[in-house]
Parts: sequence; structure tokens; C-alpha cells
Amino acid sequence: AQKITQTQPGMFVQEKEAVTLDCTYDTSDQSYGLFWYKQPSSGEMIFLIYQGSYDEQNATEGRYSLNFQKARKSANLVISASQLGDSAMYFCAMREFGAGSYQLTFGKGTKLSVIP
Amino acid sequence: DAGVIQSPRHEVTEMGQEVTLRCKPISGHNSLFWYRQTMMRGLELLIYFNNNVPIDDSGMPEDRFSAKMPNASFSTLKIQPSEPRDSAVYFCASSFYGRGDTEAFFGQGTRLTVV
Repeated sequence: AQKITQTQPGMFVQEKEAVTLDCTYDTSDQSYGLFWYKQPSSGEMIFLIYQGSYDEQNATEGRYSLNFQKARKSANLVISASQLGDSAMYFCAMREFGAGSYQLTFGKGTKLSVIP
Repeated sequence: DAGVIQSPRHEVTEMGQEVTLRCKPISGHNSLFWYRQTMMRGLELLIYFNNNVPIDDSGMPEDRFSAKMPNASFSTLKIQPSEPRDSAVYFCASSFYGRGDTEAFFGQGTRLTVV
């Protein structure tokens, strides 16, 4: 079974609007971390935001916020006031801290296109 | 710090040749990951090291792939012999895992083309 599921292969958003990118995860560990990365067309992987499983508040970093719903095992990324430079692939990832294996597993990604 | 450094950035090789990809993680990081990215399969974790020890190599496709981390500042991923289906972008990433967690920092990647 996939550990990270991103159901939106592609999304469009109007410039200056907000957009939500979906991510659900599967783990039996109590302790884990959730990450979002951005990959522009140039190819580099850029870290955006992190949420720990024990964090009670949703993480925020500038225009990025993570809508963490633990019971539903979802960690959606919200980008407010979209900019043209936000057009990129976005990856959700999880790191599990149980059982001594700390690998970082990625979803398939969502391609976001910001329309002027 | 210069970040995670990968070399070469681009590699074109003929089928059957040996290919070695190199990675220098960020100083002080104790976790190192090798990923392969293709359009069809996305980002696949190949192998993960913690404190220079391979923890999980279940993602290594087959015996043609091998990875080493002889010390905390250097890792290699070797493919021998290479095949056209190995063509992909290979990323190395490093992070520090201790009390709490930090994000993984990625290198610029090596674009491998096997012809």
C-alpha cells in the first residue's frame, strides 16, 4: 500500500487566489513527520514546511500552511495568494520514527499551474 | 555551508558501462538518502544511511546497484553494468535526525542517460 497519496496529478489556480493540495498518508507509527517540497522546472527540490505528528498546531511558513488532520491522516498544503513563481511540482513526504527505520517516503506529486 | 553536493550533474554513458554517482552531504548531518526520479515512477527511495550505516536498501532495484558511505562526508551510488532503463535523475539528500527532526536537504541531482 502507498504510504503517501496525492490524488491530484494537476491543479490550476488563478494568480492571487488560494489553493489546497491534498495529501493523505498511511502509517501505524505514533511518531512521524510530514513534509512538503516544491520542485520547479529547474529540477531542484525545495523544502517548504514540516509538521510533526505531536505538533498540536498547524505549521505555517509565510504563504504556506499545512492543514493537519491527524484522525483523517491528511496533511494538505495550503498556498495563499498564489504567485506565478508557485507553478511547480509539489511533493508530500513522510518520515516514520518507529521500528528503527527513518526513511523519507514521497508521494507522486501534484503539478500546480498558476494562471495570470 | 554549500549544501548537498552531487557530481556529476549530467552523465551520458553507453549501456554496459559502469557509472558512479557521488554525494557530499551537509556537514553534521547523520542521515543520507539516495533517490531516483522518473516520470513513470516518481521519486523512489533507493537506500538510506544513518551514521554511515545502510539502514534500508530495499529500494535498490537489483544487484547492479550498490551504494557505499565510507565516511560521514561522502557517499557513492554505483551502477554496473548500466542499462537504458536506469536513465533518470538521481538525487542525494541529507538530514539530521536526533532529538526531533529536520527536513532533508537535496542536492541538485545527477541526470543519467544510458544509451
